[in-house]
Amino acid sequence: KNEVEQSPQNLTAQEGEFITINCSYSVGISALHWLQQHPGGGIVSLFMLSSGKKKHGRLIATINIQEKHSSLHITASHPRDSAVYICAVSSTGNQFYFGTGTSLTVIP
Amino acid sequence: KAGVTQTPRYLIKTRGQQVTLSCSPISGHRSVSWYQQTPGQGLQFLFEYFSETQRNKGNFPGRFSGRQFSNSRSEMNVSTLELGDSALYLCASSLGGNSDTQYFGPGTRLTVL
Repeated sequence: KNEVEQSPQNLTAQEGEFITINCSYSVGISALHWLQQHPGGGIVSLFMLSSGKKKHGRLIATINIQEKHSSLHITASHPRDSAVYICAVSSTGNQFYFGTGTSLTVIP
Repeated sequence: KAGVTQTPRYLIKTRGQQVTLSCSPISGHRSVSWYQQTPGQGLQFLFEYFSETQRNKGNFPGRFSGRQFSNSRSEMNVSTLELGDSALYLCASSLGGNSDTQYFGPGTRLTVL
């Protein structure tokens, strides 16, 4: 049983397209994290959310606590956005659970 | 500020050996968490240390242990290595813990032969 489910697993988009990645979780959380991992392994934290919506440049993250669901949106996608996007949650049980990631490829 | 650093970056060991990995957090961060990433299991939480105390622990056997020093630097030890321990080991630091923004190091790639 996976505490965090992400969809889609793989995503290919044309440059300029609007992209949405979804994340559902089954545990009580204190925070939800969206992470970006590039080839080679380095992970960068994009957002940390406990409610509502956050925006940073072309990236928007939303969370619905009642529905236990979060989305990551990328507007006007660019080839440099190609990476693996990972949803993770800090649970109220002091555990940290990861989704399996969404591999995004943006074609010029 | 300097980022999170991990040493060594690459390591090759044989089954039965033990290994120690090191993580230096961002200055001022008191929490260090360790994670394992494998192709089969993805990212999994190992443990978190805060002010030299293990605060949280994931579902890993006792062969995996860690500690944190007074300067917040942390080490992770794996004893009696198994082939399945081959993985990328990542550490992350934060100000207060798992509910804060995590700043990840580049990882240590461990290969067990």
